[in-house]
Amino acid sequence: GNSVTQMEGPVTLSEEAFLTINCTYTATGYPSLFWYVQYPGEGLQLLLKATKADDKGSNKGFEATYRKETTSFHLEKGSVQVSDSAVYFCALTNTGNQFYFGTGTSLTVIP
Amino acid sequence: SQTIHQWPATLVQPVGSPLSLECTVEGTSNPNLYWYRQAAGRGLQLLFYSVGIGQISSEVPQNLSASRPQDRQFILSSKKLLLSDSGFYLCAWSAAEEGPGRRAFFGQGTRLTVV
Repeated sequence: GNSVTQMEGPVTLSEEAFLTINCTYTATGYPSLFWYVQYPGEGLQLLLKATKADDKGSNKGFEATYRKETTSFHLEKGSVQVSDSAVYFCALTNTGNQFYFGTGTSLTVIP
Repeated sequence: SQTIHQWPATLVQPVGSPLSLECTVEGTSNPNLYWYRQAAGRGLQLLFYSVGIGQISSEVPQNLSASRPQDRQFILSSKKLLLSDSGFYLCAWSAAEEGPGRRAFFGQGTRLTVV
């Protein structure tokens, strides 16, 4: 079946530190992969996506590369800001109508 | 442009009372619609999804039900709330015709506290 596993949080970083949030997936065929971000008290917003192997999604300084050989889609940012504090969800969609989400990773960036 | 509206934003209800949360989508036709619950400190749990009017798929057996009386309206209900129903409820939609790369669009959520 389809599933997503992402690293447990919470993650606390100092401003300008490097961020990595690990995400691996299980799926048959060729899923599309997503990172969503949730700011406090709000719904989820799409951060970036990749629809095929070796694609790199990027947005707002965040990047993730679709690695089919390792079934991974790790989120990275070279220099985090306080405003990046949020919960980050890795997700996939495959054939069918469902989205599969990881459990979320809470990030706090301190000045 | 497409928009999704979800209300109310917050709700405090006593145990045993009924529940009705409403979600509407504008600017698109025949969307896939979803209800998720996010318990405190936990991930997203898919509760229901719908691919058309009157078509509801339930992902987990529970105290809740969903209905889709109109193409762009999705309602989450309960006849008698339990304490364990407390959480953050999110409605979402996606465009069915976009294929596997389609994205989900989320409402702002409803914070439900059952007391």
